[in-house]
Amino acid sequence: DQQVKQNSPSLSVQEGRISILNCDYTNSMFDYFLWYKKYPAEGPTFLISISSIKDKNEDGRFTVFLNKSAKHLSLHIVPSQPGDSAVYFCAAGTGNQFYFGTGTSLTVIP
Amino acid sequence: DSGVTQTPKHLITATGQRVTLRCSPRSGDLSVYWYQQSLDQGLQFLIQYYNGEERAKGNILERFSAQQFPDLHSELNLSSLELGDSALYFCASSGYSGGAYETQYFGPGTRLLVL
Repeated sequence: DQQVKQNSPSLSVQEGRISILNCDYTNSMFDYFLWYKKYPAEGPTFLISISSIKDKNEDGRFTVFLNKSAKHLSLHIVPSQPGDSAVYFCAAGTGNQFYFGTGTSLTVIP
Repeated sequence: DSGVTQTPKHLITATGQRVTLRCSPRSGDLSVYWYQQSLDQGLQFLIQYYNGEERAKGNILERFSAQQFPDLHSELNLSSLELGDSALYFCASSGYSGGAYETQYFGPGTRLLVL
């Protein structure tokens, strides 16, 4: 039972444009959400997070939006750069236990 | 480099065997988490230890066990291995309180192949 879903396995975007990665979750009790980036042969790296009391959090080129009523979060990367090419995992949970999506592979085309 | 180390990087073994995966957390981190990533699956949380004590348990099979030692390194033991146990196993560590919402820093993973 997948509590966190990333329905797009892959995404290609031109350099300089916006990348939008989406994530849906099923459990309304989740109150903390994270995005991780993963390069090949490395472990996931924390990117940005948001708690359920907010609907937006920005960190430089990265913005996470949370829509609690739709149980949906998205990661916006603006402008996209070739170095952003990686697999992005969203995670949602509460307390010490988080559930991860299956990842979206982003390719930024120069 | 996250500061979390995992050994070995790769492991090939046969069904029915037992293996031990090792993780050293970042300096000062008291919490260690274990995750499994199977093909086309997200990261599945297995178990968390905080300062030597089990803190949270996820989808960990009874054939699997873990422990955290006084020097804070952790080991994940997988026994009676099956083909379906082939996966990437990640260890992560986090800060000082073992509490909620601490950023987890991941190691590079151990790739296990069961033949």
